[in-house]
Amino acid sequence: NAGVTQTPKFQVLKTGQSMTLQCAQDMNHEYMSWYRQDPGMGLRLIHYSVGAGITDQGEVPNGYNVSRSTTEDFPLRLLSAAPSQTSVYFCASSWVSGSSYNEQFFGPGTRLTVL
Amino acid sequence: DAKTTQPNSMESNEEEPVHLPCNHSTISGTDYIHWYRQLPSQGPEYVIHGLTSNVNNRMASLAIAEDRKSSTLILHRATLRDAAVYYCILKGGSRLTFGEGTQLTVNP
Repeated sequence: NAGVTQTPKFQVLKTGQSMTLQCAQDMNHEYMSWYRQDPGMGLRLIHYSVGAGITDQGEVPNGYNVSRSTTEDFPLRLLSAAPSQTSVYFCASSWVSGSSYNEQFFGPGTRLTVL
Repeated sequence: DAKTTQPNSMESNEEEPVHLPCNHSTISGTDYIHWYRQLPSQGPEYVIHGLTSNVNNRMASLAIAEDRKSSTLILHRATLRDAAVYYCILKGGSRLTFGEGTQLTVNP
């Protein structure tokens, strides 16, 4: 299994540009989520999904859109990038059943810089 | 989500045991105590979790206080590869809420 994969690894955008960060998992997990991590800080939840067709907002959703059309993929869209969105973005997945004790699996991250 | 309190940083010597503390006085009865760690320039990785009883796995041990208001992650013999930020998280559903964690430095 590849686990959780994220593309691209690095990205530089200009203010106002749009882009999509890709996340895929091959473990048939129902739950997928996106976090951002600013320098020296812990991760903050952006959006999450408990299954195909179901998404919800996390702690810092503004400026980001998500959709979940398949179990495997959970892309994160930045519609109009701002310098405040410069961060490292992590995708994670886990089982929903027995959710409190299930571990989450994280991808390697996408480092995004907005100029 | 219930909050956890961890020291900002701790230091250890290689091959010595490390005890990383976590306070969670507002834990609810259904919250699991999870520990994750984040190595430099990597995504977080799961370490261990427990509910009430102490737990052991190949990576670490988790000691949970009888009243569940605190817990301790134990690395039995620290290696240089264990240098990371360690996060103690209370998990009551699918979501993880990260705090600042403890930066562990391991000295050779």
